[in-house]
Amino acid sequence: QITLKESGPTLVKPTQTLTLTCTFSGFSLSTSGVGVGWIRQPPGKALEWLALIYWDDNKRYSPSLKSRLTITKDTSKNQVVLTMTNMDPVDTATYYCAHGQIQPSPWFDWGQGTLVTVSS
Amino acid sequence: EIVMTQSPATLSVSPGERATLSCRASQSVSSNLAWYQQKPGQAPRLLIYGASTRATGIPARFTGSGSGTEFTLTISSLQSEDFAVYYCQQYNNWPQTFGGGTKVEIK
Repeated sequence: QITLKESGPTLVKPTQTLTLTCTFSGFSLSTSGVGVGWIRQPPGKALEWLALIYWDDNKRYSPSLKSRLTITKDTSKNQVVLTMTNMDPVDTATYYCAHGQIQPSPWFDWGQGTLVTVSS
Repeated sequence: EIVMTQSPATLSVSPGERATLSCRASQSVSSNLAWYQQKPGQAPRLLIYGASTRATGIPARFTGSGSGTEFTLTISSLQSEDFAVYYCQQYNNWPQTFGGGTKVEIK
């Protein structure tokens, strides 16, 4: 059974850096073809893909947010970390991590999500 | 960036009736199209990928069709648990993009 769970702060101030951790089980990021990504959803709005990291450390970022995002993995801990700099109130959203495979691939499994509010 | 447009925004359907949801891509995405279901307070759940392949455990009443730029999700006989928001997603091109969603509500 594959599970993913997001963790991190629920409240950050504008201009701060957000660090989110995805801890997963049921698969390994050292297995060929596996990927973990981040998707967010502002309250009442649609989904937006942010970033993706593969088993071979290949990374992809949303062009509109690329300058602010960094995604890394710790295979030994079964974790993927997303950092987003210069947070703004418009970044208030539920952030999900998800499991996929080498592109083209949908997101097969999702974490429960974590709501991050950006406010002073 | 490929823009995904879903219609209608809201669909009112009676239980037991058929629901037909549409998704259009601004350019061809081949068959690299997925559908997700999202209930309030929950994460999205993968229903269909490859435009027409049901994900594990998804009931046969969910059917996906289409290719290129026009896609359809059909729910043959709506059950109470099917009232939710449905999103399409293209994963053919970077960046991956989602549609704005269709809310299926009880009529």
